[in-house]
Amino acid sequence: EDQVTQSPEALRLQEGESSSLNCSYTVSGLRGLFWYRQDPGKGPEFLFTLYSAGEEKEKERLKATLTKKESFLHITAPKPEDSATYLCAVQANPRSGGGNKLTFGTGTQLKVEL
Amino acid sequence: DTGVSQNPRHKITKRGQNVTFRCDPISEHNRLYWYRQTLGQGPEFLTYFQNEAQLEKSRLLSDRFSAERPKGSFSTLEIQRTEQGDSAMYLCASSLAVAATNEKLFFGSGTQLSVL
Repeated sequence: EDQVTQSPEALRLQEGESSSLNCSYTVSGLRGLFWYRQDPGKGPEFLFTLYSAGEEKEKERLKATLTKKESFLHITAPKPEDSATYLCAVQANPRSGGGNKLTFGTGTQLKVEL
Repeated sequence: DTGVSQNPRHKITKRGQNVTFRCDPISEHNRLYWYRQTLGQGPEFLTYFQNEAQLEKSRLLSDRFSAERPKGSFSTLEIQRTEQGDSAMYLCASSLAVAATNEKLFFGSGTQLSVL
């Protein structure tokens, strides 16, 4: 069964203090690893998809990287508006028996303070 | 493009009652997913449709849950004989799936169900 573990559960940063969020996964053939942002009372909002080890993607202050066992979401010089829960999810390769579902981790709740 | 729309936003019901939620996906999207999320947890897959066909259901999905997507447009999720454990946020997502490419899911804001 596919599993996703995110750490830390919660993270408090000062504005401008860079850090990284971790997503460890086990999956029967990775089709894609996804990062989403979720604000309170809202549905998840897509950030990135990573497909293979060594791949990196960037968007504003966020950079996602992928290895064979984990992914990192690096946040550079965060601002208060980056405060949210960041969710990691994996999608298994259909040829490995996976369907189209995403398996999510429990998320990292990020709070950026002035 | 108004995004994925879910109604109602909130539903309070008594144990044993039936409830139905509606999801209107982004108009050109061919796939529609239902997920359930409880406080402090990530979304948990329930089921998905490609056009009007229901292609996958979670093994954890009780037979009290049923979903439809008539004509491949909007979808409804019904829960019969609700239990307190059904209390959760029910999220709908849609995507435009093209063969051999990974899809990007767009989520609605969810329906928050409280079973008293």
